[in-house]
Amino acid sequence: DAGVTQSPTHLIKTRGQQVTLRCSPKSGHDTVSWYQQALGQGPQFIFQYYEEEERQRGNFPDRFSGHQFPNYSSELNVNALLLGDSALYLCASSLGPPGENSPLHFGNGTRLTVT
Amino acid sequence: AQTVTQSQPEMSVQEAETVTLSCTYDTSESNYYLFWYKQPPSRQMILVIRQEAYKQQNATENRFSVNFQKAAKSFSLKISDSQLGDTAMYFCALLNNQAGTALIFGKGTTLSVSS
Repeated sequence: DAGVTQSPTHLIKTRGQQVTLRCSPKSGHDTVSWYQQALGQGPQFIFQYYEEEERQRGNFPDRFSGHQFPNYSSELNVNALLLGDSALYLCASSLGPPGENSPLHFGNGTRLTVT
Repeated sequence: AQTVTQSQPEMSVQEAETVTLSCTYDTSESNYYLFWYKQPPSRQMILVIRQEAYKQQNATENRFSVNFQKAAKSFSLKISDSQLGDTAMYFCALLNNQAGTALIFGKGTTLSVSS
């Protein structure tokens, strides 16, 4: 039973560039959430996707956008990268619509470095 | 605003000893969940234990137990018989029942277990 998989593992980008991170949820899960974890900090909620729609969003600028595909996989896009976007990006999947409070399963994250 | 505070940035303990990690939180909601997550160097966030706010009984999972003091808004994690594999960053997290899966994390406590 495959867990949550994220790609790539590491990524280095230059300021102003755009990046796309990918996430495949745990088998059977249909909800995907994204978190940003700066070095030495706890993760911060970016947004959540269910039924291919953004259902909830944290306090992140519009440079952060996402998408969920019919197979429940998801992408996180960040435009006009800033040095402060350097972080570990975690994807978490769960079963059922927002509010069901089913357990979150996290991936190993993508480490993004912006230079 | 909802907040989670972990006041111990680092803790260390020897194998077989017991250690307690502290967490306080603030929320105006009456229905919420509290979690402890473990993040080893592999970066994957692993659920350790979960507590529903409406349950008075403290949750227990093998060597892990919590002391949930609702009135004091305190949620500490006790690890008994510490093992080398418990070395990790530990995050306390809060989920408002109305907030989908938008977990609010503390800044974490780095736990080192030595032989």
